[in-house]
Amino acid sequence: EVQLVESGGGLLQPGGSLRLSCEASGFSFRNYEMHWIRQAPGKGLEWLSYISGGGDTIYYADSLQGRFTISRDNAKKSLYLQMNRLRVEDTALYYCARFLGAGLHYLDVWGRGTTVIVSS
Amino acid sequence: NFVLTQPHSVSEPPGKTVTISCTRSSGSIASNYVQWYQQRPGTSPTTVIYVDDLRPSGVPDRFSGSIDYSSKSASLTISGLTTEDEADYYCQSYDGTSWVFGGGTKLTVL
Repeated sequence: EVQLVESGGGLLQPGGSLRLSCEASGFSFRNYEMHWIRQAPGKGLEWLSYISGGGDTIYYADSLQGRFTISRDNAKKSLYLQMNRLRVEDTALYYCARFLGAGLHYLDVWGRGTTVIVSS
Repeated sequence: NFVLTQPHSVSEPPGKTVTISCTRSSGSIASNYVQWYQQRPGTSPTTVIYVDDLRPSGVPDRFSGSIDYSSKSASLTISGLTTEDEADYYCQSYDGTSWVFGGGTKLTVL
């Protein structure tokens, strides 16, 4: 079964750091581009970051202002999001998603998400 | 960067047809593909339309997508509404290195 499972969320204070993980199974992870998307409580989807299959091409949303870093370890079939200088407004459910490129252009597999709460 | 604007909510009775718009603030709506995602309460999003007007396998043909080049808008139309269609719907597009989601539209079927 094709699956993505996020982990690493938690409760932390403003200014803290956290690393989220997304473990892939059931498909050849290295062949797929990946994204991180988040959803604040009661709000819409917000795109955060993209990484190519080999990890050599990376994009970020401007709103992150350099605080987050995406990476991947294809040998471990895992995607990561390092989040630094966290703010209250980073409180959200964080999803990883697989991107179907090659002319299809959509996110076809999503994880269930991991919750990050930033509060003093 | 650009913004995708959707109506906050729409409502129609079962069996009717509803259309949800998605307007791009700058640049041509035709310059990059538009996708539509459905998110039922408490679940992760799933794709209902990709590349403007294509349906993934398993999505009923009651769902259709279109592009209106004159109004810079994309639209998602759902016909023969059922209570299972009640969900939030998000359009999504991109521009070079940036992806953008619309703010989402809450569809109520009652």
